[in-house]
Amino acid sequence: SAVISQKPSRDICQRGTSLTIQCQVDSQVTMMFWYRQQPGQSLTLIATANQGSEATYESGFVIDKFPISRPNLTFSTLTVSNMSPEDSSIYLCSSARLAGLQGEQFFGPGTRLTVL
Amino acid sequence: GQQLNQSPQSMFIQEGEDVSMNCTSSSIFNTWLWYKQDPGEGPVLLIALYKAGELTSNGRLTAQFGITRKDSFLNISASIPSDVGIYFCAGRPGEETSGSRLTFGEGTQLTVNP
Repeated sequence: SAVISQKPSRDICQRGTSLTIQCQVDSQVTMMFWYRQQPGQSLTLIATANQGSEATYESGFVIDKFPISRPNLTFSTLTVSNMSPEDSSIYLCSSARLAGLQGEQFFGPGTRLTVL
Repeated sequence: GQQLNQSPQSMFIQEGEDVSMNCTSSSIFNTWLWYKQDPGEGPVLLIALYKAGELTSNGRLTAQFGITRKDSFLNISASIPSDVGIYFCAGRPGEETSGSRLTFGEGTQLTVNP
């Protein structure tokens, strides 16, 4: 399994500001994803981070609010823009070595975001 | 989008008891994954299932991929206090021909009383 680290592990931010979360994988992986987990809830996929091209966003998530970068096979960032209290969540990065049916996903420890 | 119905939502058991939880879907899934999430941590992959009817064990954990491809269950035998956490099922819908998008169940909160 891949070892995934995220920075920061937690942050408290003011309304209207932006936060960039970093995700680093210890080996080259094909797929990287960003999820949101609101308090007491399940995981919701925000987008698939594509190397060298624009991320693929799920319904309800847009690039202006959640810009994503993936400059190489081991690193990605998610920015939460113009934050509001509703953005308070855990943001999780995940990766899979293979695309398709055999691509087991592994998760980072998450970034716990509180917006005041 | 696809939805997974996971049950039960929560369980309170005594140490040593066996536990069973399951996920069902109205449509076919090609892959079933079971994760455990401890407080303040990301989900950890427990078991992955790829074939209908497949039964896989990982220590005290056993999971099965339903023969209809619309369900999966996870059993934990002889529970111990460190089994406490939230268990999530996740599946890859049958129409997914590329990528690795997963749909997650709502989770089962397990509490084990010593």
